[in-house]
Amino acid sequence: AQSVTQPDIHITVSEGASLELRCNYSYGATPYLFWYVQSPGQGLQLLLKYFSGDTLVQGIKGFEAEFKRSQSSFNLRKPSVHWSDAAEYFCAVASLSGGYNKLIFGAGTRLAVHP
Amino acid sequence: DTGVSQDPRHKITKRGQNVTFRCDPISEHNRLYWYRQTLGQGPEFLTYFQNEAQLEKSRLLSDRFSAERPKGSFSTLEIQRTEQGDSAMYLCASSLGTGRNTIYFGEGSWLTVV
Repeated sequence: AQSVTQPDIHITVSEGASLELRCNYSYGATPYLFWYVQSPGQGLQLLLKYFSGDTLVQGIKGFEAEFKRSQSSFNLRKPSVHWSDAAEYFCAVASLSGGYNKLIFGAGTRLAVHP
Repeated sequence: DTGVSQDPRHKITKRGQNVTFRCDPISEHNRLYWYRQTLGQGPEFLTYFQNEAQLEKSRLLSDRFSAERPKGSFSTLEIQRTEQGDSAMYLCASSLGTGRNTIYFGEGSWLTVV
């Protein structure tokens, strides 16, 4: 069965520090992978997505992610975190069932940013 | 493009009552999805429509839940005889077509069952 694991429930970083959020997936074929961000009480906003091609994908707000098939990982990175990045981050894989439109989410990583 | 709109944003109801949530997708998006998110968890897929046809339902969608999209535009999610375990945020999303098209989420409808 397809699944997504985000090993870190909470992460705290200082403003200006670099960030890496981990995501591991379980999927039998080439995965479609996504990172979404959710601010408190809000819906989800897409940061970036990977379907094929270049394994390093650029997203909005200065985020990037790297797909590593050998490690079944799709980690999210940002070189310098801003206080406004404090939110919850979800990694997701698109399920083959339903034409790749059903998303399976990880449990999320809550990011806190210290001034 | 006004985004995915959900109503109401918050609902408090007594156990046993029925509730209905409405979702207006992005105009011309033919796919519409419902997800449920509980505290500390990621969203879980409930069901999706292509136009007016409901193509898939999760086993999470018990008999007390029903979703409709009568004219292929807006959708409703009704929960009958609510239970405390139904307390969650119900997220609606929409997309154009399949595959690589982005799924856009609304801001969600919070349900609290007391």
